[in-house]
Amino acid sequence: QVQLVESGGGVVQPGGSLRLSCASSGFTFSSYGLHWVRQAPGKGLEWVAYIRYDESSKYYADSVKGRFTISRDNSKNTLYLQMNSLRADDTALYYCAKPTTGWPAPFDYWGQGTLVTVSS
Amino acid sequence: DIVMTQSPDSLAVSLGERATINCKSSQSVLYSSNNKNCLAWYQHKPGQPPKLIIYWASTRESGVPDRFSGSGSGTDFTLTISSLQAEDVAVYYCQQYSGTPTWTFGQGTKVEIK
Repeated sequence: QVQLVESGGGVVQPGGSLRLSCASSGFTFSSYGLHWVRQAPGKGLEWVAYIRYDESSKYYADSVKGRFTISRDNSKNTLYLQMNSLRADDTALYYCAKPTTGWPAPFDYWGQGTLVTVSS
Repeated sequence: DIVMTQSPDSLAVSLGERATINCKSSQSVLYSSNNKNCLAWYQHKPGQPPKLIIYWASTRESGVPDRFSGSGSGTDFTLTISSLQAEDVAVYYCQQYSGTPTWTFGQGTKVEIK
């Protein structure tokens, strides 16, 4: 069965950096683009970033463009999100999400999320 | 970017009654290659990841009860729960997935029992 397990969250000071990971199993990782989605406390879902299966395309929400970098290692079945210049409003539960087969596609599998808290 | 707006922000419905949630996109989410709308609905319960329940605006995900239905096209969409059950209490989000190249969610609608 498909499993997505995020890690790397924690407490970081404003201006700091953090790298999230999403370890995946149960599907052909190298054949799927993947997403990061976040939910700030008491707020709704916000799409953050997307990476194509072969890393040839990467897209970002305006709120994180220039500060966050999405990447992947297909040999390790792992998705990453490098977060730099963190701000208080980046505090959120960060999910990785897998789209269904095909393009365009909604998200049919999600991890449980990893919590990032930006605070001094 | 496409903006998704849901209404209402919350609603309280009696058990067994109908719940209706609306979602409006700022531009068409029609995918011309298959003439289908790139519109999904998710159910999100506390402590759990979101769950896909409807895609292509009206296709029910496998295993989702048939009391959930989606309708609409172009820019106006609706999620209907025909007979609300206790386990349906959740926040529901619409999402456009046209990949333009962003994927946007509505602000969410909280469904409660009256």
